[in-house]
Amino acid sequence: DTGVSQDPRHKITKRGQNVTFRCDPISEHNRLYWYRQTLGQGPEFLTYFQNEAQLEKSRLLSDRFSAERPKGSFSTLEIQRTEQGDSAMYLCASSSPLVRMAEQFFGPGTRLTVL
Amino acid sequence: AQSVTQPDIHITVSEGASLELRCNYSYGATPYLFWYVQSPGQGLQLLLKYFSGDTLVQGIKGFEAEFKRSQSSFNLRKPSVHWSDAAEYFCAVGGVWGTASKLTFGTGTRLQVTL
Repeated sequence: DTGVSQDPRHKITKRGQNVTFRCDPISEHNRLYWYRQTLGQGPEFLTYFQNEAQLEKSRLLSDRFSAERPKGSFSTLEIQRTEQGDSAMYLCASSSPLVRMAEQFFGPGTRLTVL
Repeated sequence: AQSVTQPDIHITVSEGASLELRCNYSYGATPYLFWYVQSPGQGLQLLLKYFSGDTLVQGIKGFEAEFKRSQSSFNLRKPSVHWSDAAEYFCAVGGVWGTASKLTFGTGTRLQVTL
């Protein structure tokens, strides 16, 4: 399967702990996106990479959040000092540079529960 | 700012009946519009998209949507619903903000199909 993959699929942590999620995009896609989805809501944009450059960050991405894509391939999203309000599904998507306003292909998501 | 409204949180239809899911958008220029479907435990899957041209677009799984600029709407339709269509449906609008192509999603409509 050559779709977008995310690891882990589920993460349970205690408040105050740090967590890191990984996203592997479709191999030829140079654009990578992170979204957050809370219960009963649609996904909300967090940040966007083109190759290794982080080009936009949402105001939802507080100082406790950091995302990287060091070699322009996989990406990590780290949340420091987690809070109960961080509990959500974190979705990763990627898209091709060859198509204008290309479809974003989504991974299955990482469900975070902060106790 | 761009926004999407899906006025129906939950819709129940009988198998074989027709379906229409409503979507209204707000965007300052020509919008890029999408419909995604999300099944439990699955990632978001693109059903169809509209960029320009013919205002009636065909998608996968027998779905279609009609773009109506005068009503700022992009409603999703299916002539005959199957039990496997039960899922959450999201309308999204995309645009180019700086160099980003983030999507803004509605809150979703949960479709229940009765046999």
